[in-house]
Amino acid sequence: EDQVTQSPEALRLQEGESSSLNCSYTVSGLRGLFWYRQDPGKGPEFLFTLYSAGEEKEKERLKATLTKKESFLHITAPKPEDSATYLCALTGAGNNRKLIWGLGTSLAVNP
Amino acid sequence: ETGVTQSPTHLIKTRGQQVTLRCSSQSGHNTVSWYQQALGQGPQFIFQYYREEENGRGNFPPRFSGLQFPNYSSELNVNALELDDSALYLCATGTGGSQGTQYFGPGTRLTVL
Repeated sequence: EDQVTQSPEALRLQEGESSSLNCSYTVSGLRGLFWYRQDPGKGPEFLFTLYSAGEEKEKERLKATLTKKESFLHITAPKPEDSATYLCALTGAGNNRKLIWGLGTSLAVNP
Repeated sequence: ETGVTQSPTHLIKTRGQQVTLRCSSQSGHNTVSWYQQALGQGPQFIFQYYREEENGRGNFPPRFSGLQFPNYSSELNVNALELDDSALYLCATGTGGSQGTQYFGPGTRLTVL
C-alpha cells in the first residue's frame, strides 16, 4: 500500500535556525512527489514537484531533495512568515492519479 | 495566489440536508480533484474529473457526487449530510495525468449541526 510519513509532527525554530523536514514514503512506481505549504483554514499552496531520485529544487529559503525512500525540505535561515504546516504528497503508478498525503509538519518560527 | 476559486467560503447546514460546493478552474486546467480535510489531518481524496468524466474515486460513499462543466468548473454535491461531513473541502485543478501538479483553491468550510 502506498504510504507517506512525515516527521517531526511539530517543529519550533528560532529565526535564522536552519532545519530539515522529512517525508518518507513507500509507493509502487513513483510518478511525482509534491510539497505544499498550508496556513490555517486555507488551501495548500504549491511549493515543489520532484519526479526522480537525485532531483533537487530551490525557492527562496526552501530546498527540496528526493531519494528513493524519502524527501527532505530544507529550510535555511527561516523567518516568522515561514510558520505554517508543510505537507508532502505523492502519486504512484497504482493509485489512479489521487494524491496520497502525509499528516504534515507544523512549523513555528519564533522571532 | 492560484487562479482557483471556491464558493461559498463558509457554510452551515443541518444533518440530513444537501449541499453544493463550487470550484472555478485555473485557466488552461482541464482536471479537477476534490478533497476533504478534517482538522489536523491531511486532505482525503474524494474524486477527480477530467474533461467532464469521473477519472478516479476515493473511499467516499455515493452520496458524494460531482460534476465538471465544459468550462472545466466543477461542483461537489453531498446528500444526506452527517455530522462527520464537517470539514474543509478543497478543490485542486491541473493539466491532467498522475504526474501533474495540482493547484488548490482556498477551500469551503462546511459545518454540519
